[in-house]
Amino acid sequence: ELKVEQNPLFLSMQEGKNYTIYCNYSTTSDRLYWYRQDPGKSLESLFVLLSNGAVKQEGRLMASLDTKARLSTLHITAAVHDLSATYFCAVDMNTDKLIFGTGTRLQVFP
Amino acid sequence: GAGVSQSPSNKVTEKGKDVELRCDPISGHTALYWYRQRLGQGLEFLIYFQGNSAPDKSGLPSDRFSAERTGESVSTLTIQRTQQEDSAVYLCASSLHGAITEAFFGQGTRLTVV
Repeated sequence: ELKVEQNPLFLSMQEGKNYTIYCNYSTTSDRLYWYRQDPGKSLESLFVLLSNGAVKQEGRLMASLDTKARLSTLHITAAVHDLSATYFCAVDMNTDKLIFGTGTRLQVFP
Repeated sequence: GAGVSQSPSNKVTEKGKDVELRCDPISGHTALYWYRQRLGQGLEFLIYFQGNSAPDKSGLPSDRFSAERTGESVSTLTIQRTQQEDSAVYLCASSLHGAITEAFFGQGTRLTVV
């Protein structure tokens, strides 16, 4: 059974600081996705990572995938308040079934 | 349509009643997913449809839950004899070719069982 774990579950950080969210998964997969969810809203796709070593960047967020380590990271650079949200990673079991991580709730304060 | 559409957006029902939740995927998307999200929790996989293949129902929590999809269009998730623990947001997503391409989510149906 595929398990997807994120840490930390909750992150409170000051504006301007850097931090990394980790996503570990338990079985072989080379397809990983990052989503953002604002309170009371649905999920918004951020990144699609489809191969080992893939790196994608959008603004202050950068995601990477290491399929050998079964690890993806979401790095936040110089955080701003607008980044406050819950971030989910999701892994495809190579059966087209997306399994989501537990989510990391990010709060950025002044 | 422009995006994944779910209805109703909110549903309050009495314990023991049946409910039907509807999902209209993005036109042309062959894959459709249902997830459940309890308050403050992650997404729990329920069921996955891909084209004309048999659906993956492995995430349905009990036989009170069922889902159907008409071809590659509308899907309905039915919960019979609702219980309070069924209260959650039910999210539908669709993608062009399964998880090979990114999934787009609807706004969800917030179900409250009283």
